[in-house]
Amino acid sequence: DQQVKQNSPSLSVQEGRISILNCDYTNSMFDYFLWYKKYPAEGPTFLISISSIKDKNEDGRFTVFLNKSAKHLSLHIVPSQPGDSAVYFCAARSTGNQFYFGTGTSLTVIP
Amino acid sequence: ETGVTQSPTHLIKTRGQQVTLRCSSQSGHNTVSWYQQALGQGPQFIFQYYREEENGRGNFPPRFSGLQFPNYSSELNVNALELDDSALYLCASSPGGRGAGTGELFFGEGSRLTVL
Repeated sequence: DQQVKQNSPSLSVQEGRISILNCDYTNSMFDYFLWYKKYPAEGPTFLISISSIKDKNEDGRFTVFLNKSAKHLSLHIVPSQPGDSAVYFCAARSTGNQFYFGTGTSLTVIP
Repeated sequence: ETGVTQSPTHLIKTRGQQVTLRCSSQSGHNTVSWYQQALGQGPQFIFQYYREEENGRGNFPPRFSGLQFPNYSSELNVNALELDDSALYLCASSPGGRGAGTGELFFGEGSRLTVL
């Protein structure tokens, strides 16, 4: 069963505009949510995280929002840059330090 | 600071064979996790090692086994390979054990296994 879902396989955005990537989850016991970015032929790299007790975390151009009642989180990138083009994975941590990943969203930022 | 390194980067095996993948954790990290990423999917948790002991396991059969060594490097062994084992195998290290911090994972570049 897929406990973390990213329903949009791809997203295209103009440079300078906002990119919004979405993620849904089913397990209310997840305590941390993370976003990872992956370029081809590289491992995923950590981008930003949020604790389940928060509803927003911001780091420069990247902001993650958590809506626990809807079991939904989103990553906002503003302004989007061509170097942001990559696959973005949403991940959630359960008890026992096990991470569940979504299937990824491929973001293309058009110059 | 040395990052997570994995070897080999690519390998081809045939059904029924056995494979060993290796991972050196980032300096200062005592926890190593292994993930399988099939084409078009997200990484799936195989197991985690903390201070040389298995510290959690995902939904993978016993033919997937692992080890962690005193220097915190790790091996993933897969016996009786099946075609569906073809995937990118990712190793990730983190600086703490159960519940430490946000548990951010630091990934290697992966070992791409093809089973024919």
